[in-house]
Amino acid sequence: ELKVEQNPLFLSMQEGKNYTIYCNYSTTSDRLYWYRQDPGKSLESLFVLLSNGAVKQEGRLMASLDTKARLSTLHITAAVHDLSATYFCAVPSGGSYIPTFGRGTSLIVHP
Amino acid sequence: DGGITQSPKYLFRKEGQNVTLSCEQNLNHDAMYWYRQDPGQGLRLIYYSQIVNDFQKGDIAEGYSVSREKKESFPLTVTSAQKNPTAFYLCASSISIWQRSDPRGKLFFGSGTQLSVL
Repeated sequence: ELKVEQNPLFLSMQEGKNYTIYCNYSTTSDRLYWYRQDPGKSLESLFVLLSNGAVKQEGRLMASLDTKARLSTLHITAAVHDLSATYFCAVPSGGSYIPTFGRGTSLIVHP
Repeated sequence: DGGITQSPKYLFRKEGQNVTLSCEQNLNHDAMYWYRQDPGQGLRLIYYSQIVNDFQKGDIAEGYSVSREKKESFPLTVTSAQKNPTAFYLCASSISIWQRSDPRGKLFFGSGTQLSVL
């Protein structure tokens, strides 16, 4: 059974600081997804990482994937309040796309 | 605009009552999914459908039922057998569930329905 673990689950950080969210998964997968959820809202896709060593960046967020270590990171650079949200990683297993989601990392950025 | 529409946004269920959550997509996607989200938890898969007239149980299907009579629609019924239905329900779609058919495999989500018990 595929397990997806995120660390930390809660993160309170100051504006301007850097931090990294980690996503570990238990079985082989060659791809990983990051989603963002604002409170009471739906999920929106942030990054689709399709191969080992993939790195994607958008604004202050950068995601990477190491399929050998079964690890993805979401790095936040110089955080701003607008980044406050819950971030989920999701990993599909086998040959299907049906993803298993991590529990999410609730990020609060304060002045 | 293409997208996924869920309704209602808020729903209240009385004890012993069945309620149905609507999910409609105009993205021409074959695959549709229902997830349940509890506070502080990840998303758990209830049911998914690869194609019209076909659907499969996910990890927590007990107490729920679905139908897929049209490509665009995938309604979820929360039955009275679901003893703890209070949660946020999310519908999603993708081009296909199979990686060989869709190299990206990104899910598109609706805006969700918050179900509460009266």
